[in-house]
Amino acid sequence: EVSLVESGGGFVKPGGSLRLSCAASGFTFRHHHMTWVRQAPGKGLEWVSHISSSSSTIYYADSVKGRFTVSRDNVNKSLYLQMNSLRDDDTARYYCVRVGEMDTINLYFFDLWGQGTPVTVSS
Amino acid sequence: IQMTQSPSSLSASVGDTVSITCRASQFISNYLNWYQQRPGQAPKLLIYATSNLQSGVPSRFSGSGSGTAFTLSITGLQPEDLGTYFCQQTYNALYSFGQGTKLEVK
Repeated sequence: EVSLVESGGGFVKPGGSLRLSCAASGFTFRHHHMTWVRQAPGKGLEWVSHISSSSSTIYYADSVKGRFTVSRDNVNKSLYLQMNSLRDDDTARYYCVRVGEMDTINLYFFDLWGQGTPVTVSS
Repeated sequence: IQMTQSPSSLSASVGDTVSITCRASQFISNYLNWYQQRPGQAPKLLIYATSNLQSGVPSRFSGSGSGTAFTLSITGLQPEDLGTYFCQQTYNALYSFGQGTKLEVK
């Protein structure tokens, strides 16, 4: 079965750190770009970070740049998000998402989502 | 790129046709995707590249538009269509989403 399963969320105080993990199964992980998307309680979706299939290209949203680091392990089919200097407004459910692509026009879409892992930043 | 959806919420009856509009603050060609998020669930891809139906998505969903204005239509609304719908641009690397449209099915 094709799936993404996140882990590593939890409670942390402002200024603290967390490392999220995402285990992929049922598809050729190394062939896909991956991304993290978050959703604050009762709010909309916010794209957080993108990493290409070979890790050669990485992007971050301005709101997390310099604090979050995305990485991947293609051998173990895993995606990671290291989150440092956490703030109250980082509180959200974090989704691991597979990126699909229309090769002909380099158009990306998010075609497989995990169930998410909750992160709460509070003193 | 700012993505703006309208309306923010709507209520419709089973069998109705509904439309949700998404506007981009600048030209995004057809680099526009739509997602559905049912209550308590993760989002799900409905339509990519403006008008391409994702595998397994019912044909009552359709998308149109280009440039800066896009529309998601649902023809023959079903009870399971309730939820929140998000548009997203992937024209540039900051893959921004619209704020969402909450759909209630009466």
